[in-house]
Amino acid sequence: NAGVTQTPKFQVLKTGQSMTLQCAQDMNHEYMSWYRQDPGMGLRLIHYSVGAGITDQGEVPNGYNVSRSTTEDFPLRLLSAAPSQTSVYFCASSYANSGDTQYFGPGTRLTVL
Amino acid sequence: GEDVEQSLFLSVREGDSSVINCTYTDSSSTYLYWYKQEPGAGLQLLTYIFSNMDMKQDQRLTVLLNKKDKHLSLRIADTQTGDSAIYFCAEMVGGSARQLTFGSGTQLTVLP
Repeated sequence: NAGVTQTPKFQVLKTGQSMTLQCAQDMNHEYMSWYRQDPGMGLRLIHYSVGAGITDQGEVPNGYNVSRSTTEDFPLRLLSAAPSQTSVYFCASSYANSGDTQYFGPGTRLTVL
Repeated sequence: GEDVEQSLFLSVREGDSSVINCTYTDSSSTYLYWYKQEPGAGLQLLTYIFSNMDMKQDQRLTVLLNKKDKHLSLRIADTQTGDSAIYFCAEMVGGSARQLTFGSGTQLTVLP
């Protein structure tokens, strides 16, 4: 199994540009989520999904959209990038049962100029 | 509201024990986790403890949970240079969201 994969590893955008961060998992996990990590702070939840076709907002959803058309993929879209979105983004997945381990991808480092 | 707090830095000598502390505020936490993050990498789950337990041991790792004080600790025995990393405490509060709330992380530096 490849686990949780994320692309790209690094990205630089200009303010106002749009892009999609990709996340895929091959473990047939129902639950997937996106976090952002900023210096001196823990990870904060952006959006999550409990299954294909179902998404919901986390703690910091503004400026981001998600969709879950398949079990495997959970892309994160920035429609109009802002410097405040400069961060490291992590995707995670797990089975739906409480307590199941969440597996994290390697992260995407995004810089918005 | 939910809040998880950790001290930012800890330095220990190789071979000593490390103790990383965490406090949380939500008494309805169901699971509490310790994750390790090495430079440039994602988060790796080290261990977790269910809220009805007070201790869990896994090889060099010992987790202690004091529910009364809402205090969680991670002890690493015989700390090695490979243990140098950022350690995150996280809590999961019950419900369908299964959201994790993370602390800000403790940077552990192991000195030779």
